[in-house]
Amino acid sequence: GAGVSQSPSNKVTEKGKDVELRCDPISGHTALYWYRQRLGQGLEFLIYFQGNSAPDKSGLPSDRFSAERTGESVSTLTIQRTQQEDSAVYLCASSLALAGGYNEQFFGPGTRLTVL
Amino acid sequence: AQSVTQLGSHVSVSEGALVLLRCNYSSSVPPYLFWYVQYPNQGLQLLLKYTTGATLVKGINGFEAEFKKSETSFHLTKPSAHMSDAAEYFCAVCEDTGRRALTFGSGTRLQVQP
Repeated sequence: GAGVSQSPSNKVTEKGKDVELRCDPISGHTALYWYRQRLGQGLEFLIYFQGNSAPDKSGLPSDRFSAERTGESVSTLTIQRTQQEDSAVYLCASSLALAGGYNEQFFGPGTRLTVL
Repeated sequence: AQSVTQLGSHVSVSEGALVLLRCNYSSSVPPYLFWYVQYPNQGLQLLLKYTTGATLVKGINGFEAEFKKSETSFHLTKPSAHMSDAAEYFCAVCEDTGRRALTFGSGTRLQVQP
């Protein structure tokens, strides 16, 4: 497809369960970001991947959160032992390589996670 | 560290009236500034951005914003609101270093009254 895709679009889970969210970036985009949007708030940065470099995990809120990316393709965000405060929309964005200046981040539609 | 403040979580205007959505930022280095729009049940869409050059930037759908360094502001305006402008608007900043992750404001929901 032409844009960033994410799956599932909605996920309802029980407290304590693990969940895995998927992001397919735009082909050729080496930079990939995960953000979280809690109800009524702006987006919070979670993690950043750039090519084969070590990811920048500085935004992850706890060690229950982890993410992987295979090369320059799909990324998965995993939340272990989910808590109710994890309920949010999780957004993925991708951009071209960072070589000075700014490359626009293109956002996916998000995954709405509800933890009961 | 950078931060973004959007004054007013909800703004209501009449159709045809001026739209003014306020954004102030703090950044330790010259920033890049953005406005994104989020329509109901849709993803984020870039409205406009300031990186370098002219401080008055024009975006899609008739919106524009002016970067005022002395006021650390990047307010979004549109001369005449349309019903289709009803959405949530987010101001964001990123620094031209490192990962260039975006820091977002908390958003302003724009309502347009007929």
